[in-house]
Amino acid sequence: AQSVTQLDSQVPVFEEAPVELRCNYSSSVSVYLFWYVQYPNQGLQLLLKYLSGSTLVKGINGFEAEFNKSQTSFHLRKPSVHISDTAEYFCAVGQAGTALIFGKGTTLSVSS
Amino acid sequence: KAGVTQTPRYLIKTRGQQVTLSCSPISGHRSVSWYQQTPGQGLQFLFEYFSETQRNKGNFPGRFSGRQFSNSRSEMNVSTLELGDSALYLCASSSNPTRTYNEQFFGPGTRLTVL
Repeated sequence: AQSVTQLDSQVPVFEEAPVELRCNYSSSVSVYLFWYVQYPNQGLQLLLKYLSGSTLVKGINGFEAEFNKSQTSFHLRKPSVHISDTAEYFCAVGQAGTALIFGKGTTLSVSS
Repeated sequence: KAGVTQTPRYLIKTRGQQVTLSCSPISGHRSVSWYQQTPGQGLQFLFEYFSETQRNKGNFPGRFSGRQFSNSRSEMNVSTLELGDSALYLCASSSNPTRTYNEQFFGPGTRLTVL
């Protein structure tokens, strides 16, 4: 069975500071990995995905994530955050033909 | 291209009632998945429909059901509502989930409140 653990439920940071949102997964087979963002009163938007190939994945809004197979991690990073990055972030794992399994989310709060 | 639409956006029901939520996928997408989002449990998979057939099902009681029509639009129904059914219900569509991973596109959700 697959599972996803987001290690921090809340991450407060100041504007222009770097941020890392941590995600560990568990799976006995090869999986695809994703990060989604959810702004208040909205659905989920895909930030980036790892399907295969380069372990460093770049996404929208300046976010990137690194797939680490040995540590079963897929941490999300941004070198300099903005107020507008305040949102909830979800890490998810999936395989072709199966449903996505989501972590419980990390609330990123950016203040000035 | 229009995104995934969900109706209604907000619903208030009382315990024991039933409710039907609707989801229209992106044009050309044949797969629709439903998720329940609550503060305590996060996002949990309900079921997925592809070409009018249920392909995957999550671990929810039989009170939760769904269907998909020939135009790919999907509905989910919850009967005998309980307070714990209060949640944001999200619908996601993708083009063809039987192949190598296809990206899922999410709608804005329906906020259901059970009183």
